[in-house]
Amino acid sequence: DAMVIQNPRYQVTQFGKPVTLSCSQTLNHNVMYWYQQKSSQAPKLLFHYYDKDFNNEADTPDNFQSRRPNTSFCFLDIRSPGLGDAAMYLCATSRSGTENEKLFFGSGTQLSVL
Amino acid sequence: AQSVTQLGSHVSVSEGALVLLRCNYSSSVPPYLFWYVQYPNQGLQLLLKYTSAATLVKGINGFEAEFKKSETSFHLTKPSAHMSDAAEYFCAVRSNTGFQKLVFGTGTRLLVSP
Repeated sequence: DAMVIQNPRYQVTQFGKPVTLSCSQTLNHNVMYWYQQKSSQAPKLLFHYYDKDFNNEADTPDNFQSRRPNTSFCFLDIRSPGLGDAAMYLCATSRSGTENEKLFFGSGTQLSVL
Repeated sequence: AQSVTQLGSHVSVSEGALVLLRCNYSSSVPPYLFWYVQYPNQGLQLLLKYTSAATLVKGINGFEAEFKKSETSFHLTKPSAHMSDAAEYFCAVRSNTGFQKLVFGTGTRLLVSP
């Protein structure tokens, strides 16, 4: 059964046109993460939510925003996508963010910017 | 800051041969180390994790990894490769600064030939 679900699987947007990616989870986990993975690179953490508390990574561009309206859902908003934002976006969850926890990943959304 | 280095962006083996994927870590404190696997067009899945309970860690699909403090290594091995093992493998370390986020290596693509 799918536990972390990302929609859509593929998203195409135009340069500068706002786009929203969605993630939902059925695990009731407290922490939700968004990672950006460019081709042949390591996943890079953009931000995470611990419950309702938003935590931005220092080097995440202002162009990237996130919303978590409830425990189950989290959204990634890209206000003005550039060509360099084309990547796989991975959503992940964990129960409480402690040291030895594993992360549960969704299948990702592949974003193309034309 | 914690970091991991994966040696070799691509590793090619024949079916039935030994698989060895290298990972070295940098950490000022005992680390929590992980191996994740990513199959094409999918999210990441945990293979195994080291949390100081035992230096030899067994994971899913016949993989195991050995933590060697003296070598600061956490190499991933499997005695006999299967075609289905072809995927991208990421070593990761749990950061111990601030929120303990997961920091990934750049990945190693495993190619298995018949």
